[in-house]
Amino acid sequence: QAVVTQEPSLTVSPGGTVTLTCVSNTGAVTSDQYPYWFQQKPGQAPMTLIHDTNHRHSWTPARFSGSLLGGKAALTLSGAQPEDEADYYCLLSYNGVRSWVFGGGTKLTVL
Amino acid sequence: EVQLVESGGGLVQPGRSLRLSCITSGFTFRDYPVTWVRQAPGKGLEWVSFVRNKAYGGTTEYAASVTGRFTISRDDSRSIAYLQMNSLKTEDTAMYYCVRGGYGEAFDYWGQGTLVTVSS
Repeated sequence: QAVVTQEPSLTVSPGGTVTLTCVSNTGAVTSDQYPYWFQQKPGQAPMTLIHDTNHRHSWTPARFSGSLLGGKAALTLSGAQPEDEADYYCLLSYNGVRSWVFGGGTKLTVL
Repeated sequence: EVQLVESGGGLVQPGRSLRLSCITSGFTFRDYPVTWVRQAPGKGLEWVSFVRNKAYGGTTEYAASVTGRFTISRDDSRSIAYLQMNSLKTEDTAMYYCVRGGYGEAFDYWGQGTLVTVSS
C-alpha cells in the first residue's frame, strides 16, 4: 500500500510565497501519476485546484501553480491571501491509474 | 451548471448496509467516470472507489479498505452513480463525497457530501 506524505502544517505571511510538497514512499513522483492538489476550507467540500501536475481549472487563481520538484509533486502559492488559509491535499495515482492515494494534508495558515 | 448531489447517508448499525446515491446534472453523465471519496470526522481525505465510463468498459476499482464490502455502480439512463456499502464497520463513519472524474477525465466537480455514521 502506497503512502503519500505532506507537511502537516505550514505558515505563510500575507503576500508571501510558500511551497507545499507531496512525497511517495514508492519513489519519485512522476507525471504519470497525474498529481492533483485540492483545497478544503472548514465545513466545505474540497475543491480541485490543480490536475495533471500543473494544470489549473478555470476557477483556480493564477497565484497557485503545480510542478514536479526534486522527485516530489509541489504546489506553490505566490502572493498568499487571507482566504488561502485552508487544508491542502495532494492525490497520486498508482498501478496504471487503478488506484488513488491522498496525502495526509497540509494545514496552511496565512499569518 | 454541473451539479452532483449525494444522498442516502444516515445512522446505521455495524454489520448493516446502506446505499448512497450521487444524482448528477448539467453534463453528459455517460461520458465521465465517477469517484467516491470519504473523510472521517477530523481526518483527511480517502479515495474509496471509481467507476469508468462506458468508453473504458464501465469497470470499477476499490481501495483495499472497502474491497469485498462496497460496490460502485452507475445508471447512465438516470445520470446517477451509487455506492452500495455492506458489512459496515465503525471505521466507515465519514462524510462521503462523489466527484466527477478519476479515469480518463480529470477530477473537477465535487458534491457537498452525505454523512454516514456507523454506530450501535
